[in-house]
Amino acid sequence: GEEVAQTPKHLVRGEGQKAKLYCAPIKGHSYVFWYQQVLKNEFKFLISFQNENVFDETGMPKERFSAKCLPNSPCSLEIQATKLEDSAVYFCASSQRHRGLISLLANTEAFFGQGTRLTVV
Amino acid sequence: EDKVVQSPLSLVVHEGDTVTLNCSYEVTNFRSLLWYKQEKKAPTFLFMLTSSGIEKKSGRLSSILDKKELFSILNITATQTGDSAIYLCAADLTNAGGTSYGKLTFGQGTILTVHP
Repeated sequence: GEEVAQTPKHLVRGEGQKAKLYCAPIKGHSYVFWYQQVLKNEFKFLISFQNENVFDETGMPKERFSAKCLPNSPCSLEIQATKLEDSAVYFCASSQRHRGLISLLANTEAFFGQGTRLTVV
Repeated sequence: EDKVVQSPLSLVVHEGDTVTLNCSYEVTNFRSLLWYKQEKKAPTFLFMLTSSGIEKKSGRLSSILDKKELFSILNITATQTGDSAIYLCAADLTNAGGTSYGKLTFGQGTILTVHP
């Protein structure tokens, strides 16, 4: 597709319940990123994938959070045993495959989905 | 630690005013600087700046990068109420292999409010 599709748009979970968020990147984009926006302005990087491989998970909380990008399936971000502080908007973004320094015209901007608003009550 | 700082954090102006938003960065392996506009939902892409001193323009918006002083500015002329939004800048880092993987380090954002 031509846009990053995130589902669901809204998700409400009781504390301790599991939450699973989905993201379908733009067709042809090799990189997928998950960001957490807790306060209105602040984006926190969580994890990135290059195709189905974890590329950078330095932002992922060590416990309760996991993510996958499997072939022919939407990517997913799962939170086990949600806590109140997990309430946030979770954005997924995708970007094209990069050719490296040889191509100065390589498109590197990330295209964002509309986000999933997770509310933990 | 990679850091992107935006200023001001909030700005209130009247229609027709010109505004300048600032973004400074301290990052390793810098590749490009991106500006996004966030209204109610997802950030929408405005500009990507890779080279110093080359102004990019889109309508009333323009932006420029200074890689020596490590900052960028976003200008909006003749502001309209529809420009009210959060403006985010982000640094796109490149990895050791020289291929950018697009992990963005965001600034805090500038909340712009344009009154009629």
